[in-house]
Parts: sequence; C-alpha cells; structure tokens
Amino acid sequence: EDKVVQSPLSLVVHEGDTVTLNCSYEVTNFRSLLWYKQEKKAPTFLFMLTSSGIEKKSGRLSSILDKKELFSILNITATQTGDSAIYLCAVGVIQGAQKLVFGQGTRLTINP
Amino acid sequence: NAGVMQNPRHLVRRRGQEARLRCSPMKGHSHVYWYRQLPEEGLKFMVYLQKENIIDESGMPKERFSAEFPKEGPSILRIQQVVRGDSAAYFCASSPPVTDTQYFGPGTRLTVL
Repeated sequence: EDKVVQSPLSLVVHEGDTVTLNCSYEVTNFRSLLWYKQEKKAPTFLFMLTSSGIEKKSGRLSSILDKKELFSILNITATQTGDSAIYLCAVGVIQGAQKLVFGQGTRLTINP
Repeated sequence: NAGVMQNPRHLVRRRGQEARLRCSPMKGHSHVYWYRQLPEEGLKFMVYLQKENIIDESGMPKERFSAEFPKEGPSILRIQQVVRGDSAAYFCASSPPVTDTQYFGPGTRLTVL
C-alpha cells in the first residue's frame, strides 16, 4: 500500500526561528512530490518536485527532494505568525490514473 | 480567474438523508478529484473524473457513494443514506491535463446528526 509519512506531527516555535519539516514516502509508480499549506480552508499549493537534488525556493520557503532515500524536506526561515498552518506533503502516483497520496500533515504553530 | 468553487461550505444532515456536494473546477481544468479528510487525519483520495467519465474510483466506498462530472455543470459527489461516520471535510481539486499539480477548493464540511 502506498504510504506517505510526515514528521513531526506537531511543532511549536518562536517567531524568527527556522523550521524543517520532513516527508518520507513508500509508493509504487512515483511521479512527483507536492507540498501544500492548509489554514482554515483550502490547501494552498506551495511546490512540486520531480527531480532529486534541485531546490525549489519561494521567499522564505524552500524544498528539496531525494529520490534515492525517498524523502523531502520543507524549510521555512525567519518564521512569522502567518506561517502557522498545517503543512501537507503529497506524492503523485500513477495507478492507471494519476492521484495524490497525502501524509497526515505537520501542524506548525509560530508563537510571537 | 476564480479558483475551485465548492458548495455548500457546510452541510448538516440527519442519518438516512442524502448529501449532495458540488464542485466547479477552475476555468480550463478538465480533471476533477474528490478527497475526504477525517478529523486529525490526512486527505484520502476518493475519485478522479474527467468530463462524463469516471477515471479512477478506487478510493470510493462501494456503497452509498457516487460521483459524476457531466458535460455541463459542476461535479457532484452524492452520499445516500448518510451515517455518522460520513461526517468529514470533503475537498475537491482540479487540474489541467498532464500535470500533477492539483488546486483545491475550500471544502464542504458535512455533519451527520
């Protein structure tokens, strides 16, 4: 069975800290790995990674994929209270048709 | 360009009633996906549809659940004879062809009394 595991499940830090969120996966027919940010409503797309070792960056957020060791990390530097959210990792798989397999999420809380 | 639209945002049903959840994909997107999120759990794939076709329904319960994406109008997820265990947030996502990037709607929170 395809599996995506995120760690930690919950993280509380102070504003200004740097955090690293982890995502490991065990799937057949890997196509891509995606990160989403979920606040009170819709998960918002952050990154999609398909190749190992190439860092994707957007402002204070960055992410990298290791297809040999089957994991990805999401880094957030100089955290702000607005970064508080659940961060979801998902792996795109092809099993006749494409779909996303999600991890359980990391709940990040940034305290002022 | 409006995002993925879902309605209603909140739906309350009594056990045994039917629930209909609607999803309008982003303009230009022909692929629709439905996911369910139970409390304190990640999103679980239910079904993937293109216009007038169900492509993959491997995550859909075999009974009481059905989905459609007609030629005209929104995609509909239908749950017949709801039970308390159906209470969850149901998210719809859409994508253009040949990409894994799915864009999510705000979800419908279904509560079964």
